[in-house]
Amino acid sequence: GENVEQHPSTLSVQEGDSAVIKCTYSDSASNYFPWYKQELGKRPQLIIDIRSNVGEKKDQRIAVTLNKTAKHFSLHITETQPEDSAVYFCAASLSGGYQKVTFGTGTKLQVIP
Amino acid sequence: DTGVSQDPRHKITKRGQNVTFRCDPISEHNRLYWYRQTLGQGPEFLTYFQNEAQLEKSRLLSDRFSAERPKGSFSTLEIQRTEQGDSAMYLCASVTDPLNTGELFFGEGSRLTVL
Repeated sequence: GENVEQHPSTLSVQEGDSAVIKCTYSDSASNYFPWYKQELGKRPQLIIDIRSNVGEKKDQRIAVTLNKTAKHFSLHITETQPEDSAVYFCAASLSGGYQKVTFGTGTKLQVIP
Repeated sequence: DTGVSQDPRHKITKRGQNVTFRCDPISEHNRLYWYRQTLGQGPEFLTYFQNEAQLEKSRLLSDRFSAERPKGSFSTLEIQRTEQGDSAMYLCASVTDPLNTGELFFGEGSRLTVL
């Protein structure tokens, strides 16, 4: 089955700096890669996703890049703000999300004011 | 509230007891997932349904776990003869149309503590 690895497990940045979280996946057939944000005590919520026919996607301060050949994808957050502090999970799925979604182990991001 | 709801939110039980969790997905969502999350880990897939059909069950899931979605609406997850290792947050999520958007809408979760 699919295996998703995520690094780093914790990340501290100064407010205004950029943050990068990296993930690798094992199943070359995976074609849908969402990112979820989970604030303390709350449910995970989708912040951005990318499909394998696209190499990069951007939404305001967040962007995701995908390298299918290397089987890795990354989340980039620019101009970080204290409200970006949370745990971020990458994930991978077959069939554009039509089958089970396999999550990484998470990155705890702390933005220091 | 039109989101995914789960009940109970918290359950404390003694080892060996049975517990059941309920999930009510967003009404028009035909696909429903169960995940388990322990502290410091990502959600771990347990099982999922397309309407009332259970399409996949994790191989890591022991026979003590069973899930149903009898009428294609709400779902239940039962754990028999609970063990301390079952202590976790059990998350339910639903999806409207994965071919168009794969976004999982999660519930608040049911936290299980096995003493």
